[in-house]
Amino acid sequence: EAGVTQFPSHSVIEKGQTVTLRCDPISGHDNLYWYRRVMGKEIKFLLHFVKESKQDESGMPNNRFLAERTGGTYSTLKVQPAELEDSGVYFCASSQVTSGNPQYFGPGTRLTVT
Amino acid sequence: QKEVEQNSGPLSVPEGAIASLNCTYSDRGSQSFFWYRQYSGKSPELIMFIYSNGDKEDGRFTAQLNKASQYVSLLIRDSQPSDSATYLCAVNVGGNMLTFGGGTRLMVKP
Repeated sequence: EAGVTQFPSHSVIEKGQTVTLRCDPISGHDNLYWYRRVMGKEIKFLLHFVKESKQDESGMPNNRFLAERTGGTYSTLKVQPAELEDSGVYFCASSQVTSGNPQYFGPGTRLTVT
Repeated sequence: QKEVEQNSGPLSVPEGAIASLNCTYSDRGSQSFFWYRQYSGKSPELIMFIYSNGDKEDGRFTAQLNKASQYVSLLIRDSQPSDSATYLCAVNVGGNMLTFGGGTRLMVKP
């Protein structure tokens, strides 16, 4: 069974540009999560989808970040316009059931904003 | 006070020894507890989870949970150089998001 996949693995963009990250969860996992780790900090929650619906987006830093999960399969996270402080590693995770079940992480996308 | 705290390390143990990794959390409502292993530049890999007070064993790994004292620990028996990694403690308070500690770097010396 394939794990969580993310694309691209690394992205370097200039301040003010737009970047879109993609996550494909484990097949059959209705729950999809986005997390971010900025340099020297802990991994922080961004948002949670159940199928195509946003269940919790309390961790989204501001309205420059837009997440979608059309059709309840893969998800995209768009940053527009990117700022320097958006640099970090963006992880996607998925789980079968909510409420405390283990979450399985993808390899992450390392975003560098220059 | 951070919600989930870990000693950043590095924790250095000789090959074959027991490595003990600790984690404390602040929210008494925390319900689920997870240990992830992360090699440099890689994704967090789930190695253990525990929901109830006491011990849970899986191979060389034992997770221990004490809700009254608000700590969770991970023991690695017969440590191997391949166990050298950063170990992340994650807590689910309610809802679904995980709150992570900063991680403890473990070094197992041959």
